[in-house]
Formats: sequence, structure tokens, C-alpha cells
Amino acid sequence: KAGVTQTPRYLIKTRGQQVTLSCSPISGHRSVSWYQQTPGQGLQFLFEYFSETQRNKGNFPGRFSGRQFSNSRSEMNVSTLELGDSALYLCASSLAERRQETQYFGPGTRLLVL
Amino acid sequence: AQSVTQLGSHVSVSEGALVLLRCNYSSSVPPYLFWYVQYPNQGLQLLLKYTSAATLVKGINGFEAEFKKSETSFHLTKPSAHMSDAAEYFCAVTLPGGKLIFGQGTELSVKP
Repeated sequence: KAGVTQTPRYLIKTRGQQVTLSCSPISGHRSVSWYQQTPGQGLQFLFEYFSETQRNKGNFPGRFSGRQFSNSRSEMNVSTLELGDSALYLCASSLAERRQETQYFGPGTRLLVL
Repeated sequence: AQSVTQLGSHVSVSEGALVLLRCNYSSSVPPYLFWYVQYPNQGLQLLLKYTSAATLVKGINGFEAEFKKSETSFHLTKPSAHMSDAAEYFCAVTLPGGKLIFGQGTELSVKP
């Protein structure tokens, strides 16, 4: 089975712009979660989608949003980019038959905001 | 509230030596615990997980971890370190809602 894929792998944007990141989960997985990884804050949960609905949300401002499509693929959008949004954004998928299923991670998208 | 503490942001061992990476958790409910490894410029790879079936959990690449409820610990060990084990290791706990809470990570260096 193919693993979780994320596109693009690298992005450079400037302050004020917006960005959309994409995640394709493992085939058959219905839950997609997004995490932000920075040297200062570590790994922080952004949100989780299951069956096209946001099921869980972390403590991030409204500039961070996401959605999930009927094929379980997910996108994450960040509007009005700030320098502090520079990070590795990781997507993880799980079967989500139970809420505490193992999450499998993609390689991440590294975003640099100038 | 659930949380995870990893003791030691950097651990250095010699090749062939024992690897011990420490993780303590707090959880108001029986926890699901995980260890993930991250190699440079890559995502997280699952090493092993504890889901209450057995207290000693064996994972990939020769790693194992023991769940000790009395000590609220889930330390990761490997009897003999290999150069390819150099990476960052994260301990994590899942909340009942499914959200993963990570420790701050421990960077493992392996000296020849």
C-alpha cells in the first residue's frame, strides 16, 4: 500500500500571501490529521477531519483552515501568512474505526515564509 | 489533562551501547502510547505502540518499550545502538478524541 503523500514538499511564500497544502491518506483511511512542527514549539496538533467533517481542532488562529473531500484527501489552507508560520506541516492518516487508531505520517511540507 | 515529558533533549551513545530514551506521561484515562522516529528531512515513522495488550512492546529496528503504570513511564530501549539509529525520537499519547500529544523530542547521536 502506498503511504501518506503530501504535496508540495517545499514552499516559499512571502508575508501576507496564502498557501494551500495537500495530503492524500493511505488507501482506506478515513481520518486525516494535520500537525505543525517548529523548533520552538515542537509538534502541535492543528485539526482532524473524518468523513469530510472537522472532528477535532487545536489551538491555532482562524487563519488556519482545512477541508476533506469525499475520497478522504485533505487540504490545509493558511491565509495572511506570518513569519512564524514557517514550519514543517505534517499530515497523518488513520483508519479511525476507533478514535485512538494509530496515525501514519507523510513526509511533510516545509513552508518558509519570507 | 494528558501530557508527555521526554527527559533529555539530546542523548549520545557509542555504537553497540544500550540506548535508553525516557518518556513519562500523565493521563486521566488508560493511555495509548506511541514512539515515533524522525530522520532528517522526513516525516514521522511509527516505532511501536502500547494499547494495553502487553506491557512490554516490541517495535521495529530492535527497539522495545515497557509500560509501567506505577511510574507513568514508557521508556524506549535498544540493546545495541547502530549508526543508523541516529535520529530524533518522539513519545506521544493519544487523547480519547484521537488527537496526538507529543513530547518535545530526544535527539539521539551515535558515536563510532
